[in-house]
Amino acid sequence: GAVVSQHPSWVICKSGTSVKIECRSLDFQATTMFWYRQFPKQSLMLMATSNEGSKATYEQGVEKDKFLINHASLTLSTLTVTSAHPEDSSFYICSAEGQGGTNEQFFGPGTRLTVL
Amino acid sequence: GDSVTQMEGPVTLSEEAFLTINCTYTATGYPSLFWYVQYPGEGLQLLLKATKADDKGSNKGFEATYRKETTSFHLEKGSVQVSDSAVYFCALSGGGSTLGRLYFGRGTQLTVWP
Repeated sequence: GAVVSQHPSWVICKSGTSVKIECRSLDFQATTMFWYRQFPKQSLMLMATSNEGSKATYEQGVEKDKFLINHASLTLSTLTVTSAHPEDSSFYICSAEGQGGTNEQFFGPGTRLTVL
Repeated sequence: GDSVTQMEGPVTLSEEAFLTINCTYTATGYPSLFWYVQYPGEGLQLLLKATKADDKGSNKGFEATYRKETTSFHLEKGSVQVSDSAVYFCALSGGGSTLGRLYFGRGTQLTVWP
């Protein structure tokens, strides 16, 4: 149980295009999902906290117009990188908070984005 | 602010060797501490956790003790196996307004040779 999937697992796009990444909780409902970014040999940096049915809360320094987050249902959150540029190339990871008051987060396998 | 400093890798060991990965933290209040493991091609998985000082988290032969006096949460295993090869992340979760938010260390790549 408690499986989180991400799609796609990797994507290559041209500079200026937009890319959507999906995060799904497969066997549980997640009121809260988190989006992280990871650079090579760096730690995971929290980008935003996504709550179902409300606007995402972005961390300081993260451009909300650049990284659009939508959490339309209890099992799906999406991250759209708009007008992507090479500096947006990174590994994006989502997690979903489990239910039952444990606050444990379950992580997706990540999406590798490369912007040419 | 809250942060985690983790021993840099990579760490390469022979099977059955003793493993220690150091982790220290800075936090206000009383955080919960975690070790996550990421196997190749998979998402992070919770390995163990401790929620208060002197607690010991353990799982799959791994252990870590929450040491408030040294602000540390070092990961140990007495005898590693090839299947333990993975990236290990130390993390903390603060309380109050940051409840649920995780702060991660950089990760330590462990490779175990047969």
